[in-house]
Amino acid sequence: AQTVTQSQPEMSVQEAETVTLSCTYDTSESDYYLFWYKQPPSRQMILVIRQEAYKQQNATENRFSVNFQKAAKSFSLKISDSQLGDAAMYFCAYRSADNNNDMRFGAGTRLTVKP
Amino acid sequence: ETGVTQSPTHLIKTRGQQVTLRCSSQSGHNTVSWYQQALGQGPQFIFQYYREEENGRGNFPPRFSGLQFPNYSSELNVNALELDDSALYLCASSLARAETQYFGPGTRLLVL
Repeated sequence: AQTVTQSQPEMSVQEAETVTLSCTYDTSESDYYLFWYKQPPSRQMILVIRQEAYKQQNATENRFSVNFQKAAKSFSLKISDSQLGDAAMYFCAYRSADNNNDMRFGAGTRLTVKP
Repeated sequence: ETGVTQSPTHLIKTRGQQVTLRCSSQSGHNTVSWYQQALGQGPQFIFQYYREEENGRGNFPPRFSGLQFPNYSSELNVNALELDDSALYLCASSLARAETQYFGPGTRLLVL
């Protein structure tokens, strides 16, 4: 079964600085999707970024980018120019391309942004 | 465009009771997935509905059941509530089964 591990329960960053959140996953599949979701105190899970495993190019969305290392099964999220509004729980998630209904989440990383 | 909505926002029930949670999918989305998020944990997949049929189920007992209606809205029913059912229940909709899921704000259920 696929598992997702986020080894950093908490991270902290100074406003305007850069922070990287780690995620590793375990799978025997070759085709899958990876996601980062943000969950602020309002509880609503918001999609940050999505990566297709067949794409070698790392996904980027404005200040958010990923470092996708398929061989190492690593999928880290880099947040540049951190803003106070970035403070939230961040979840890494995996979904198989074959069994496309079951999304597996990590335990999350709580990000604090200091002014 | 209306996003995913869920009702109610909060609910308190006692052990043994039954509960129904509701979800309206984003406009144009035909697939709804339900997740349970216990405090301090990541969401866990309960099941998914695609065009009114169950399309996969996670490791949850049969007392967790669901429905999807012709307008693609969905219900999650939980019978014989247990204390461990206390959690945030998230609904997510997608354009199709393989597409990115967009989440609602969740329903916080407390079982006493």
